[in-house]
Amino acid sequence: QKEVEQDPGPLSVPEGAIVSLNCTYSNSAFQYFMWYRQYSRKGPELLMYTYSSGNKEDGRFTAQVDKSSKYISLFIRDSQPSDSATYLCAKDSSYKLIFGSGTRLLVRP
Amino acid sequence: KAGVTQTPRYLIKTRGQQVTLSCSPISGHRSVSWYQQTPGQGLQFLFEYFSETQRNKGNFPGRFSGRQFSNSRSEMNVSTLELGDSALYLCASSVTANTEAFFGQGTRLTVV
Repeated sequence: QKEVEQDPGPLSVPEGAIVSLNCTYSNSAFQYFMWYRQYSRKGPELLMYTYSSGNKEDGRFTAQVDKSSKYISLFIRDSQPSDSATYLCAKDSSYKLIFGSGTRLLVRP
Repeated sequence: KAGVTQTPRYLIKTRGQQVTLSCSPISGHRSVSWYQQTPGQGLQFLFEYFSETQRNKGNFPGRFSGRQFSNSRSEMNVSTLELGDSALYLCASSVTANTEAFFGQGTRLTVV
């Protein structure tokens, strides 16, 4: 079992939809979590960084961490075609990040 | 504020050759990590350096090595290149461990 599991998608939604991206993790140590967005042939771009359980909001993005169920989510409100990309969740562990496999999102105009 | 800079952006090498990739972290960042990204394996951790010391190393053969200089700039080297080393190599920097990590645009290595 991978330490961070993520549905690869692809996930296709209409413009304006609320998008929910999810990851589960299996090791409870070192509980910092990050969400990255990666466009094709580019490096990952940090979207959200969170440590504690609960919600963290930044513009149209909300990161949610539920440590009791080892579940992390990223919500995108009012999705735009420019949000079409691969979204990666990551967990901090002993001076490294462990990544999920990434979810490919397509927002249709 | 300048981001993480990786050079070169693209490389084509022949099997058996060696290659050196460079990473300049964000000013003030002392931790530099390297990752390999392939379609099949995703993002895999190579190694992490902090103040010129390697603190963690991923599960890669000894052909993969790295170092960090006193100005926090880092290099990674791959010797005796194999076709399977073709990948996007990404560098990330952070102030220290357990803080936000920012990635460069990567070096795309093609081994032929």
